[in-house]
Amino acid sequence: NAGVTQTPKFQVLKTGQSMTLQCAQDMNHEYMSWYRQDPGMGLRLIHYSVGAGITDQGEVPNGYNVSRSTTEDFPLRLLSAAPSQTSVYFCASSSGQGRDTQYFGPGTRLTVL
Amino acid sequence: EDQVTQSPEALRLQEGESSSLNCSYTVSGLRGLFWYRQDPGKGPEFLFTLYSAGEEKEKERLKATLTKKESFLHITAPKPEDSATYLCAAGGDDKIIFGKGTRLHILP
Repeated sequence: NAGVTQTPKFQVLKTGQSMTLQCAQDMNHEYMSWYRQDPGMGLRLIHYSVGAGITDQGEVPNGYNVSRSTTEDFPLRLLSAAPSQTSVYFCASSSGQGRDTQYFGPGTRLTVL
Repeated sequence: EDQVTQSPEALRLQEGESSSLNCSYTVSGLRGLFWYRQDPGKGPEFLFTLYSAGEEKEKERLKATLTKKESFLHITAPKPEDSATYLCAAGGDDKIIFGKGTRLHILP
């Protein structure tokens, strides 16, 4: 049981490049989410999904796209990277919202030059 | 406005010196209050979930408590390996809001 996995662990992009951060979970959780963590800002919700085929925006969605074609996978796409997207990105999953514990992946450290 | 505030931002303790971390929340319809531990370069690791005022949970040197307005994480006789950032989060009907964390450093 691997829990929540994320790839890559580190990534450096140039401004304007695109990339996809991968996230997978093997706990059969319906709810998955993406956060970014910046110094002094705490964890901020980017996008979330309550099940396959259903996604919604969080607090800071601009510049990011998501899709949820399977229960297990929830990739995060940066369409045209900007220096403001330099951050650490965490994927999390849970059985549901509000009451249920979220389990986090190890994170992806992204630098945009 | 829903929000979660943690205090202090940082705390340095001597090994064995007990203390408490505070998490104040204003979330309508609280469904769960969560505590996580985060080590540098790693993802948050789940510690506790509390569901109702008066509830307490313990794990080794840590004890979490909950009132209607705040939660405390009590650390008894801490060791250097307890050094980490501790995050609090409040789950409402349709969202989970995280505090900015308390950086705890235990000196040997």
